[in-house]
Amino acid sequence: QSVLTQPPSASGTPGQRVTISCSGSRSNIGDNTVNWYQQFPRMAPKLLIQGNDRRPSGVPDRFSGSKSGTSASLAISDLHSEDEADYYCAVWDDNLNAGVFGGGTKLTVL
Amino acid sequence: QVQLEQSESELKKPGASVKVSCKASGYSFITYSMDWVRQAPGQGLEWVGRINTKTGKTTYAQGFAGRFVFSLDTSVSTAYLEISGLKADDTAVYFCARGAGGWTTFDYWGQGTSVTVSS
Repeated sequence: QSVLTQPPSASGTPGQRVTISCSGSRSNIGDNTVNWYQQFPRMAPKLLIQGNDRRPSGVPDRFSGSKSGTSASLAISDLHSEDEADYYCAVWDDNLNAGVFGGGTKLTVL
Repeated sequence: QVQLEQSESELKKPGASVKVSCKASGYSFITYSMDWVRQAPGQGLEWVGRINTKTGKTTYAQGFAGRFVFSLDTSVSTAYLEISGLKADDTAVYFCARGAGGWTTFDYWGQGTSVTVSS
């Protein structure tokens, strides 16, 4: 069981906006920056958002990240069918002295 | 272009050892750390730890120190993960990932190496 809590699933229809949450504590999200990863089945994860809210080169601006206190969120606007994937938040935890991932959220595009 | 090429899948018996390789190309190997991430079948991602490719200093997540050992061969830009005393619940895909500054910022990933432990 991860110290970061994500909803196991989320869904939306094409064109909609979807938000995925990641809840932690002061020792992780509260004091460190959050990254988000997208993973398709049987593929390696891909860095989607770094440093809470920065998109690496090549990531569409439909993807955005934010952080407030001990929670972070990934928002996907104008949902596309190809956005159907698993999404993970990741952050350093000062108490564990380790990197931690959220449990992952499976996004379904209806 | 940056690439991380991992070794092929492995099938091992309980108690055996396995060594997974991750060969980097397209950048200066010692400029970025190398991290390892595990994904058990049908499960989420789990950070195993990191090796500083310049100094060799290692950091392991709780539960991974001891049987899991990171090493380097900088002459061939390759990082290794060796697991000894394999158990059934070590069965997973192991990814190497390039550390891009932050502790959990991984900008390039290997394709993953499947390790199956079964008698």
